[in-house]
Amino acid sequence: DVKVTQSSRYLVKRTGEKVFLECVQDMDHENMFWYRQDPGLGLRLIYFSYDVKMKEKGDIPEGYSVSREKKERFSLILESASTNQTSMYLCASSSIGGANYGYTFGSGTRLTVV
Amino acid sequence: QQQVKQSPQSLIVQKGGISIINCAYENTAFDYFPWYQQFPGKGPALLIAIRPDVSEKKEGRFTISFNKSAKQFSLHIMDSQPGDSATYFCAASIGSARQLTFGSGTQLTVLP
Repeated sequence: DVKVTQSSRYLVKRTGEKVFLECVQDMDHENMFWYRQDPGLGLRLIYFSYDVKMKEKGDIPEGYSVSREKKERFSLILESASTNQTSMYLCASSSIGGANYGYTFGSGTRLTVV
Repeated sequence: QQQVKQSPQSLIVQKGGISIINCAYENTAFDYFPWYQQFPGKGPALLIAIRPDVSEKKEGRFTISFNKSAKQFSLHIMDSQPGDSATYFCAASIGSARQLTFGSGTQLTVLP
């Protein structure tokens, strides 16, 4: 019944490392999103993609990049991890109808940068 | 700039009580207002949603009240149960926009 899968539940990385967070959905959704969740700040949009090889910046894209080579897979890349990127990262997908049709979220990846 | 403001940040309610979470928005172009529920260790899941052409929507014990003139909407959980203990997020979007703008979240604890 799993529909959005994030490859890791927990990750610990060192400052300066390049970090890849992977997300796969099996619902044939066009739209995919990466959010970070921090206490008191809610969910903040990092990047989203509405088609293969397409991407758009969200509210906090600095320090991140994304890749979508296949429809079902959306990767978040931290080019040079920093301690302020320690957070819970959530991937989501939605159908072509957009947000009105609801997001399906993965269970999240808790990233700690030391 | 936060476009959807949510309060309170945390809420403790006795079993059987009413839980109320409030959200306010600034952008009058928003026309879709969902609530998401997140249990520990899980991603958020869509709970209930409303559009501004109605003032209230009810699904079981969960009700959204919408006040267009005040630019506010709220989630009411009637007969709250310990199983309702979770983090609740309000959100908003514009038209067919792909992305949602989320509030800051409310951690609800329902005491047995």
